[in-house]
Amino acid sequence: EDQVTQSPEALRLQEGESSSLNCSYTVSGLRGLFWYRQDPGKGPEFLFTLYSAGEEKEKERLKATLTKKESFLHITAPKPEDSATYLCAVQGGYAGGTSYGKLTFGQGTILTVHP
Amino acid sequence: NAGVTQTPKFRILKIGQSMTLQCTQDMNHNYMYWYRQDPGMGLKLIYYSVGAGITDKGEVPNGYNVSRSTTEDFPLRLELAAPSQTSVYFCASSRGWTSGQETQYFGPGTRLLVL
Repeated sequence: EDQVTQSPEALRLQEGESSSLNCSYTVSGLRGLFWYRQDPGKGPEFLFTLYSAGEEKEKERLKATLTKKESFLHITAPKPEDSATYLCAVQGGYAGGTSYGKLTFGQGTILTVHP
Repeated sequence: NAGVTQTPKFRILKIGQSMTLQCTQDMNHNYMYWYRQDPGMGLKLIYYSVGAGITDKGEVPNGYNVSRSTTEDFPLRLELAAPSQTSVYFCASSRGWTSGQETQYFGPGTRLLVL
């Protein structure tokens, strides 16, 4: 069974204080690892997809990296508007009987950036 | 493009009542999904559809039903509402497994309270 564990559960940063969020996973045949941002009362907003170990993607102050066991979301010089819950999800390979790429989500990391 | 839209935004139901949560997407995506999100838990898949007329169960289908008569619409039906169905429900869509573009895009959610 695919599993995703995110840490820490909550992270408080001062504006400009860089840090990283962790997503550890176990999956049968990784097809993709996804990062989403979720604001309170809103739906998850897509950020990145990573497909293979060593891959990196960047968007503004965010950089996502991937190894064979975990992914990191690095936040450089965060601003208060980066405050949100960050969700990680993995999509495994074709599992006998399924015709879709099942997403398994972690419980999320709540990031708060203070001015 | 509006993306994925959901109605209603919020609803209170009495135990035993029924209702339909509406979901529409305008991205011509073949795959559509229904998730529920409970506090401190990852998103759990309820049902999914790989195209009009084709639906299948996810991880937590009990108490729910779906139909898919068009590419755009994927309503979720709750029969005999129970307090355990109090949750936030998200609809999502993607191009699908075979396209290689498997990123799922989410709607804004429906918050349901069963009393």
